[in-house]
Parts: sequence; structure tokens; C-alpha cells
Amino acid sequence: QSALTQPRSVSGSPGQSVTISCTGTSNDIGTYNYVSWYQHHPGKAPKLMISDVSKRPSGVPDRFSGSKSGNTASLTISGLQADDEVDYYCSSYAGSYTWVFGGGTKVTVL
Amino acid sequence: QVQLVESGGGVVQPGRSLRLSCAASGFTFSNYGMHWVRQAPAKGLEWVALTWYDGSHKYYADSVKGRFIISRDNSKNTLYLQMNSLRAEDTAVYYCARDSVDYSYTLDVWGQGTTVTVSS
Repeated sequence: QSALTQPRSVSGSPGQSVTISCTGTSNDIGTYNYVSWYQHHPGKAPKLMISDVSKRPSGVPDRFSGSKSGNTASLTISGLQADDEVDYYCSSYAGSYTWVFGGGTKVTVL
Repeated sequence: QVQLVESGGGVVQPGRSLRLSCAASGFTFSNYGMHWVRQAPAKGLEWVALTWYDGSHKYYADSVKGRFIISRDNSKNTLYLQMNSLRAEDTAVYYCARDSVDYSYTLDVWGQGTTVTVSS
């Protein structure tokens, strides 16, 4: 149950796009199309932004999109806004009813 | 509205026990599997445990297997995590989360967490 690898931080100017990568293995991301992304303000409840690699729950802006290639999943935030400046975590189902999460990425809006 | 509220965190000595609770409201608790996830200081999230909607099946991360017990009381809409033989590395914010029925293998609603500090 090794953690998924995310960059510690990414940054972009308002209106630009940023992409956060999430690298796993053939035991998790590479096998299952069950990757989720969460937005987390410290001290608050994490919020589901993307599920099943690329599905957006109701209420999540279409500026947020997800994809996957091989063992790596990605979250792209388009039209970056000040409100987007927070931590993002990826997660993947890893089989046998276990899950793995990433170390988190801080998005900075310049 | 759908809400999960954790409680029971605190400071505990190594080797001792602690029980966390998670009160659910705004949805039919007995229809959902439930998870515990934790975040150690300055670290990422770590999945801890899952219980099925009826408590019939339980799964654990290797790091807590044999020490932690997840359980639920559907009559009280409450999820529990019994933590035994606590270690310094169990220090973390503990979140309960709902297993989605709309999306596969997804934790779709989370609480705000309760802090556990293991220290002598």
C-alpha cells in the first residue's frame, strides 16, 4: 500500500491552466479506473472534485477535469482562480478493498 | 444536509487505547459503507479502514491491522474506530468518509476530522 506520488506544488497565473500529476503503479492506477481527486482546505472536510478518473460530481465547475494514462492520473484546472489556491489529493482503488492516496499538491495562484 | 462529525480525539500515551466516533446525518447511514482516513502532520492522506454498510465485512491498512477495529451502530447512525496499542506514528487527524453509491470505489463525503496525538 505505497502512496501515490504527486508534485509538492504547482503554480499558475489567474486564467491559466495547471496540471497536477499523480503517479502510481500497475497495482493501483495502472489497473483500475477508480481515481479520485479531492480539494482540501486545512481544517475543513476534503471535497470530492473528480471520481472514476474523469467524472465530475454535481456542483463541481467544468474547469476541473481528470484523465489517466498508464500508471499516471492527472487533474487539470483551467481558468485558474484565486479560490483554487488550496491543497489537492489524488486517490486510487488498489484492489482487495484497499485505497491509496497521494502526498498532496499545493496549488498557488500567482 | 449530508454531514459527518468526528469526535473522540485527544492526547494519549503510547500503548494506550482511544475510540473515535463519527456521527452521520442527512442520509440513510445504513445504506452506505464507511471509511476512516488519516493525515499525519505534514504528510498526505492515508486510508485506514472500511466497513460495509451492514458491518459484515471490514478491511484495514497493513499499518493498523491487528491494532485498530472499525465498527458501526446503524441504530445510532454512528461509525467507530477503536485504536489499541497506539504508537507515535498514529498521530494524525482522523477523518471518516462515506463510500459512494453513485461512483465506484469513491469516498464522496468527508467529515472535518478529529486530532489524535500519541505522546508520552
